[in-house]
Order: sequence, then structure tokens, then C-alpha cells
Amino acid sequence: AQTVTQSQPEMSVQEAETVTLSCTYDTSESDYYLFWYKQPPSRQMILVIRQEAYKQQNATENRFSVNFQKAAKSFSLKISDSQLGDAAMYFCAYRSEDSNYQLIWGAGTKLIIKP
Amino acid sequence: NAGVTQTPKFQVLKTGQSMTLQCAQDMNHNSMYWYRQDPGMGLRLIYYSASEGTTDKGEVPNGYNVSRLNKREFSLRLESAAPSQTSVYFCASSLYGQTDTQYFGPGTRLTVL
Repeated sequence: AQTVTQSQPEMSVQEAETVTLSCTYDTSESDYYLFWYKQPPSRQMILVIRQEAYKQQNATENRFSVNFQKAAKSFSLKISDSQLGDAAMYFCAYRSEDSNYQLIWGAGTKLIIKP
Repeated sequence: NAGVTQTPKFQVLKTGQSMTLQCAQDMNHNSMYWYRQDPGMGLRLIYYSASEGTTDKGEVPNGYNVSRLNKREFSLRLESAAPSQTSVYFCASSLYGQTDTQYFGPGTRLTVL
């Protein structure tokens, strides 16, 4: 069975600095999808970035980018120029290519932005 | 365009009471999902509906039932609430399911006393 591990329960960063959140996963599959979701205090889950495993190029969305290391089964999220609005819980999630529509979620990392 | 909406936002029940959580999406998505989120854990899938007229069990279906009323609406029912069902419940939808991004509602915080 697939598992997703986020080893950092909490991270803090100074405003305008860069922070990297870690995620590792375990799978025997070769085709799958990885996601980072953000959950602010409002509780709504918001998609930050998505990566297809067959793509070697790391996904980027404005200030957010990933470091996808398929062999190491690692999928870290880098947030550049951190802003106060980035403060939230961040969840890493995995979905296999032929899944029963199920996302496998990590436990989350709380990101604190220091002004 | 409201996206995914959920009602109610908060609910307190006594053990043994029943209730239905409502979810609706206006994005013409085919697939819909119900998750629960417990402290220190990621989301866990309760039930999902790949398309109108179909429903399937997820990881933690016991104690719940669902109804895909039409393409827009997907409800979650607790027939006899238990304290172990105290959680935050999220509804989500996606266009086709398998590889599509899921869009989440704001969640319902349920407390069972």
C-alpha cells in the first residue's frame, strides 16, 4: 500500500525568505500523481501544485516550485519570497494512475511566517 | 461561481442522533468525494461517487451512507452518530476523477457528545 510521510510537523520562516517543506512517499507503481495542498485557517483545501510522475521537469506555480526526485521517492515544496498569506497547513498527497479515485495524504506541515 | 459548497459549517450532535451533511458543486464535475480530517492526520476518504448514479466505499465507510442525488449534489448521512465520528468533514469534486485535481468545500466541523 502506498504511504505519504511529512516529517516536519511545523516549520517557520521569515517573511520574504525561502522555505522548503519535505514529503516522501512509498509506492511500487511507476505512474502516479503528486500534489501539494494548502489549508489556511479557513479550513478550505486549496491546490498549490501538481506533478505527474512521468514528467521529469519539476512543476512550478509562481513562487511555488517542487523538487521531484522519483528514484528517491521525494517530493518537496519550495516557497520563495514567503508572504504572510502563505501561513497554513500544507499537505502532500499521492494518487496512482489507476487508483479508485483515492488520494493518499500526508499528516501535514504547519507553516508559520514571521513578520 | 461558488465552486463547492457545504452545509452546515458547524454541528453538535448527541450520541445516537442522525444527520445529513449536504454538498453541492456548480462546476459540472462528474466525480465527488467525502473525506474526514482528524487532528494530526491527513484526509481519509469515506465515500466517493465517480459519476452520477454510482457510489463506492473509500477507506473509512463504516457508520456512514451517501447519496448522489444528481450531478451537482452528494450528501453524507450519519444514521447513529458516535463520538468517534467527531471530525471535520470535507466534500470535494473533480471533473473526471482518476487524474483530475480535486476542488474542496470549506468543511463541516462536527462534534458528537
